[in-house]
Amino acid sequence: GAGVSQTPSNKVTEKGKYVELRCDPISGHTALYWYRQSLGQGPEFLIYFQGTGAADDSGLPNDRFFAVRPEGSVSTLKIQRTERGDSAVYLCASSLGGLETQYFGPGTRLLVL
Amino acid sequence: GQNIDQPTEMTATEGAIVQINCTYQTSGFNGLFWYQQHAGEAPTFLSYNVLDGLEEKGRFSSFLSRSKGYSYLLLKELQMKDSASYLCAVRDRGGANNLFFGTGTRLTVIP
Repeated sequence: GAGVSQTPSNKVTEKGKYVELRCDPISGHTALYWYRQSLGQGPEFLIYFQGTGAADDSGLPNDRFFAVRPEGSVSTLKIQRTERGDSAVYLCASSLGGLETQYFGPGTRLLVL
Repeated sequence: GQNIDQPTEMTATEGAIVQINCTYQTSGFNGLFWYQQHAGEAPTFLSYNVLDGLEEKGRFSSFLSRSKGYSYLLLKELQMKDSASYLCAVRDRGGANNLFFGTGTRLTVIP
């Protein structure tokens, strides 16, 4: 079946702008995760959804970052007032249940100029 | 806090065996994962260990010692396509599935 998909694959924006990044998890996966990966680093956890609710948002760096998953499937990561330091690859992963193996999407490469 | 250490880079010869080590200090432990990541691509799942010992899956094996906070990934019969970054990740407690990743080990396989 189809894997995790993310759109857009690349996003270039200007400092101070608002961006939305979308993730479509594998069908039937109840858990969804957002990570951020900077060059030469491993992915860094941002937020974890179980169903529609954020079970753990302890990784969100500040209140400019917000994520939703209103119907328990597609999720959107929203970044307000972007800063150059937000430039990274934003990875989404999903798993069948809360403790199952996570499968990653191809990521969205965000560049803030 | 969480601290996960891996070597930054390794080089090995096609057809050989390579071992990539990972040590961790975490506030809790509920499993260790290895992922492979080719440049510009998503991490792909390789293996999972939650109990001590060796898990073998084809050319790839992963070992865990919880008392030592230590794991390794063993790649046999190296192929050129194995050139990639290998990420060690720890799930630090039950009920939460967020993973804490090391910086990854970039493996280069040479002819």
